[in-house]
Amino acid sequence: DVVMTQTPVSLSVSLGGQVSISCRSSQSLVHNNGNTYLSWYLQKPGQSPQLLIYKVSNRFSGISDRFSGSGSGTDFTLKISRVEPDDLGVYYCGQGTQYPLTFGSGTKLEIK
Amino acid sequence: EVQLVESGGGLVQPGRSLKLSCAASGFTFSNYYMAWVRQAPKKGLEWVATISTSGSRTYYPDSVKGRFTISRDNAKSSLYLQMNSLKSEDTATYYCASLKLGAGFDYWGQGVMVTVSS
Repeated sequence: DVVMTQTPVSLSVSLGGQVSISCRSSQSLVHNNGNTYLSWYLQKPGQSPQLLIYKVSNRFSGISDRFSGSGSGTDFTLKISRVEPDDLGVYYCGQGTQYPLTFGSGTKLEIK
Repeated sequence: EVQLVESGGGLVQPGRSLKLSCAASGFTFSNYYMAWVRQAPKKGLEWVATISTSGSRTYYPDSVKGRFTISRDNAKSSLYLQMNSLKSEDTATYYCASLKLGAGFDYWGQGVMVTVSS
């Protein structure tokens, strides 16, 4: 199984600041078809998860350009710029390259 | 507007069965792979099952394989999860999610709680 490791476990940021969350996979996420199926999700307090980023760097419909994804192979990063109060919650990375589908353990973002 | 509404959760004894349902609307259900993802209390996300558009292909992690069965009724725009031989570690909120190939889980339901306890 592909193990997804997220760091840090939690972080605190001031409004307007910038943060980065790391996600590393135990195996390459490059599919046989050449695509890399790495997604990012945000679970706000008391809500269901929502898709932010797919295929490493593609923003899902309606997602602010303050969110950006990058990386390749086994090493990926989510950056959030100009942090707003509504950004707080737990961020998860997830891989869709091979079954079983797996998620990272989450990074909790708190606002200072 | 895409809506996924789960139902069927509740308290069940270990070893018993439960069937979850998910009613979909706002998109062409039959064109989408669908999935169940669960979240144990205060824990992270765990993928539980995926089903292809026609229902001919299903996928499970080892933790539920042989005990859970995912199915769908495209005529009713509905997704199901039959859970048998339930264990305490199956206690979680279960989310129904659409799975856009190449894009991950793009829409999620509000979740339904399943508690396995005697």
